[in-house]
Amino acid sequence: QLQLQESGPGLVKPSETLSLTCSVSGDSISSGAYYWGWIRQPPGKGLEWIGNIYNSGTTYCNPSLKSRATMSVDTSKNQFSLRLSSVTAADTAVYYCARSFFYSDSSGYGDRFDPWGQGILVTVSS
Amino acid sequence: SSELTQDPAVSVALGQTVRITCQGDSLRSYSASWYRQKPGQAPVLVIYGSNNRPSGIPHRFSGSTSGDTASLTITGAQAEDEADYYCKSRDSSGNHLVFGGGTKLTVL
Repeated sequence: QLQLQESGPGLVKPSETLSLTCSVSGDSISSGAYYWGWIRQPPGKGLEWIGNIYNSGTTYCNPSLKSRATMSVDTSKNQFSLRLSSVTAADTAVYYCARSFFYSDSSGYGDRFDPWGQGILVTVSS
Repeated sequence: SSELTQDPAVSVALGQTVRITCQGDSLRSYSASWYRQKPGQAPVLVIYGSNNRPSGIPHRFSGSTSGDTASLTITGAQAEDEADYYCKSRDSSGNHLVFGGGTKLTVL
């Protein structure tokens, strides 16, 4: 059974770079028609998509992050990573990683995140 | 602001049927998936596409789409269904994903 686990510092100073890693176990990160996503949730608020990274290295990020987010995949370690630069208090959130599948049916085509990691709280504070 | 609109809160009596909706222009082109999130836990996929349930999700959960609105229906709601529910789809460009604002479901 595929499992994902986020890791990284729980406290980051304003203006610095947040770095998180998602470790994948139970399957190879480069197998199958999967891609990988990052999602965050500020305390008491809803979910916000950060970005997706495909095994080809292609990435798509939420335009609202204004190019502060970069993602990468390390197939040798079965991990993928997120870096978010110039953080502010508004970036304080629980950060989740998830596997994404593409699908297509009578309702159109889309993506589904399954499974998710347990999440990691990152606080931006001096 | 989210391109997918959900009612902030919905309530249902135990054992009754409830529909949670998600409205957005992009749903005319792209499919929706639904996630349940209980307090302190990570979201869990419950429905994707026209009406697909991952293994382990009870049959009382179903999905549908009509025009610009996707719906999640729980037939015979149980106490354990009390949670926040989020829809997700793509934005109008098709390159980016977007979540709805979430619906807090209370089972009375």
